[in-house]
Amino acid sequence: GAVVSQHPSRVICKSGTSVKIECRSLDFQATTMFWYRQFPKQSLMLMATSNEGSKATYEQGVEKDKFLINHASLTLSTLTVTSAHPEDSSFYICSASRAGLGRETQYFGPGTRLLVL
Amino acid sequence: QKEVEQDPGPLSVPEGAIVSLNCTYSNSAFQYFMWYRQYSRKGPELLMYTYSSGNKEDGRFTAQVDKSSKYISLFIRDSQPSDSATYLCAMRVEGSNYKLTFGKGTLLTVNP
Repeated sequence: GAVVSQHPSRVICKSGTSVKIECRSLDFQATTMFWYRQFPKQSLMLMATSNEGSKATYEQGVEKDKFLINHASLTLSTLTVTSAHPEDSSFYICSASRAGLGRETQYFGPGTRLLVL
Repeated sequence: QKEVEQDPGPLSVPEGAIVSLNCTYSNSAFQYFMWYRQYSRKGPELLMYTYSSGNKEDGRFTAQVDKSSKYISLFIRDSQPSDSATYLCAMRVEGSNYKLTFGKGTLLTVNP
């Protein structure tokens, strides 16, 4: 159990375009999902916390107008990188929190590698 | 001082060795402690989950939490080349909406 999927796994786009990344919890309902960014050889950097049916909470320094998050249901959250630029190239990972089974923690998706040309 | 400190390594050991990975932290409110394993270009995978102090064992893995010293450890016995990965410690406080604070991760290589 506790499977989280992400789609796409890899995307290459031109500068100025927008990219949408989907995060789904496949076998449980997640009231809270998290979006992280990870640069090579760096740890995870939390971008935002997303609660179903409400606005996302962004970490300091993360532009909410650039990284749009929609948590439409208990199993789906999306991250849209708007007007992507080469400096947005990174590994984006989502996670979903799972409660009620004595292991209340985050379960991660496999990540999406974004390359902006 | 960062909330969670973790030696980034890299750490290289021969197959069969016992590996010790550690994190220290400064926030005494942390109650939940986790270890994640991350293979290159993959998302982190939950390895061990511990609440409060004590030891927890799962196969070749043992997690220890010493809240008095604000120190957590992960031991890997009989290490295998397939254990080669980055190991991240993570922790959170009660009622934090599951928000985790991560260490930087330790890159481990187990040589055959």
